[in-house]
Amino acid sequence: GAVVSQHPSWVICKSGTSVKIECRSLDFQATTMFWYRQFPKQSLMLMATSNEGSKATYEQGVEKDKFLINHASLTLSTLTVTSAHPEDSSFYICSAWGGARSYEQYFGPGTRLTVT
Amino acid sequence: AQTVTQSQPEMSVQEAETVTLSCTYDTSESNYYLFWYKQPPSRQMILVIRQEAYKQQNATENRFSVNFQKAAKSFSLKISDSQLGDTAMYFCAFMKGTSGSRLTFGEGTQLTVNP
Repeated sequence: GAVVSQHPSWVICKSGTSVKIECRSLDFQATTMFWYRQFPKQSLMLMATSNEGSKATYEQGVEKDKFLINHASLTLSTLTVTSAHPEDSSFYICSAWGGARSYEQYFGPGTRLTVT
Repeated sequence: AQTVTQSQPEMSVQEAETVTLSCTYDTSESNYYLFWYKQPPSRQMILVIRQEAYKQQNATENRFSVNFQKAAKSFSLKISDSQLGDTAMYFCAFMKGTSGSRLTFGEGTQLTVNP
């Protein structure tokens, strides 16, 4: 099956700094990737849809200037949390759409962000 | 807009027994897909089973099967011969049948399999 990786798997940063999370499709090209946020014991909340070569589409209530998404290639999307604050601490998950022949999304293992 | 509802926040079952997780959804779409995902303590999302709305036959994957009632907009998951490794959060999800569509998730059901 298709594999999606995320890096780092766990990151701790100080309040006010920025942190970048990478999402890579390892064995397929992903024109569309999705970024989710998940709080403990809650469901996945879609933050934005990332399309290769174009601007990301953000969900209502998600600050686009705080959560910068760049989908620079068909295998890489990045999420940068700018000026992180403790309330940004969460589990961030990316997924990649498998393409025109697939109606399945492939999920990365997630990144745990802790802002101190 | 689509909505997905899982009304059972927590469930438990004895090992080797059968358990059914409930899911209802609301949509005006005619072409769509429904999924059950499993999220174990590692938090990696794992696809359990998929159902295409245009198919009348219920999907089955080994010990996992669904009861898809399209008119009632119900999509339950049955796990037979429950195993300790089935302990996880289970999410029901909806996706429009359009290329690159987003997933809409339910609130999740935490399933615990007891020895």
